[in-house]
Amino acid sequence: GENVEQHPSTLSVQEGDSAVIKCTYSDSASNYFPWYKQELGKRPQLIIDIRSNVGEKKDQRIAVTLNKTAKHFSLHITETQPEDSAVYFCAASIHTGNTGKLIFGQGTTLQVKP
Amino acid sequence: GAVVSQHPSWVICKSGTSVKIECRSLDFQATTMFWYRQFPKQSLMLMATSNEGSKATYEQGVEKDKFLINHASLTLSTLTVTSAHPEDSSFYICSAPLAGGRTDTQYFGPGTRLTVL
Repeated sequence: GENVEQHPSTLSVQEGDSAVIKCTYSDSASNYFPWYKQELGKRPQLIIDIRSNVGEKKDQRIAVTLNKTAKHFSLHITETQPEDSAVYFCAASIHTGNTGKLIFGQGTTLQVKP
Repeated sequence: GAVVSQHPSWVICKSGTSVKIECRSLDFQATTMFWYRQFPKQSLMLMATSNEGSKATYEQGVEKDKFLINHASLTLSTLTVTSAHPEDSSFYICSAPLAGGRTDTQYFGPGTRLTVL
């Protein structure tokens, strides 16, 4: 089955700096790659996603890149702010028909220091 | 946007009892829902796929007789933890893709914190 590896497990940056989180996946059939932000005790919130027919996607300060050949994808957050501090999860899914189950990476705890 | 609710938000029970957790899609229909378990400071682990009108599909290592799933309608899936033990204490979260829409996007419920004494 699919396996998703995420690095680093913790990341500390200064406010205003950029943060990059990387994930690799094992199943080349995976075609959907979302990123979630989770604050303590709360539900994961989708922040950005990318599908396998796209190499890069950007939404304001957040961007995701996908390299299908290498089977890895990355989250880039620019101009980080203290409110970006949270746990970030990548996931991969093989989406067929009307559904596809998400397999999550281990998570990255991002700390943005003021 | 699509909203998924869970009830209860937290529950404390004695060892050996059963606990039922509900997952509802409030403003959309979901033929499929997913159940995850998350231990403290760990990732979300997929437990099972709940299918409306048919049996759930369980992930390897998840006991189907212990974690009973029922998806009786297009807006409700329930997870029953039977004969709960302290090691079942965890954060249980459901998710649902939007049927008929961008079905790869999943919407998560707020989670249920289960504590077994």
